[in-house]
Amino acid sequence: GAGVSQSPSNKVTEKGKDVELRCDPISGHTALYWYRQSLGQGLEFLIYFQGNSAPDKSGLPSDRFSAERTGGSVSTLTIQRTQQEDSAVYLCASIQFPGQGLSSSYNEQFFGPGTRLTVL
Amino acid sequence: RKEVEQDPGPFNVPEGATVAFNCTYSNSASQSFFWYRQDCRKEPKLLMSVYSSGNEDGRFTAQLNRASQYISLLIRDSKLSDSATYLCVVERSSASKIIFGSGTRLSIRP
Repeated sequence: GAGVSQSPSNKVTEKGKDVELRCDPISGHTALYWYRQSLGQGLEFLIYFQGNSAPDKSGLPSDRFSAERTGGSVSTLTIQRTQQEDSAVYLCASIQFPGQGLSSSYNEQFFGPGTRLTVL
Repeated sequence: RKEVEQDPGPFNVPEGATVAFNCTYSNSASQSFFWYRQDCRKEPKLLMSVYSSGNEDGRFTAQLNRASQYISLLIRDSKLSDSATYLCVVERSSASKIIFGSGTRLSIRP
């Protein structure tokens, strides 16, 4: 079946513009995560959705960042008034049934290919 | 201090060698542990879960030491195709608390 998809794959924008990144998780996966990864760095957690609600927004770097998820499926990450330090790869991942408390296939995060954002 | 710490490497070893690296975590409430692999400019993919009793998958062996709060990954008879960044992942019982380490870069040379 289809995996996690993200669009656009690449986005180049000018400083100060708004951008919207999209994630389509695997059908039936209840949880969705956004991360960002700067060049040569690890994954930085941004936000997590369980269904359409976001119990943990603690990773959002500033109030210029927001995200929503509708219909328990597609999610969009919006960055307003982009800055050069926002340049990174933005990765989305989904999990079928998270938080099982045991190592199981239900806990595997499936990642999308990412959106490479460049702010000039 | 980061909640999950890894030696960034790079580890540069010859083909056929055995290589091991550790990952330490600071939160004792951590409950599930994983190793992910990330190839250059690709998304991370699950390599293996880490069970309390330790587990093996072919040339890969993962160990968990709860008392010392670290997990390890051992790769035997390394192949050129093992060259990648290996990410340590720790999950608490709360589903939102999935923490990735910064990764350990491994390079296998012919």
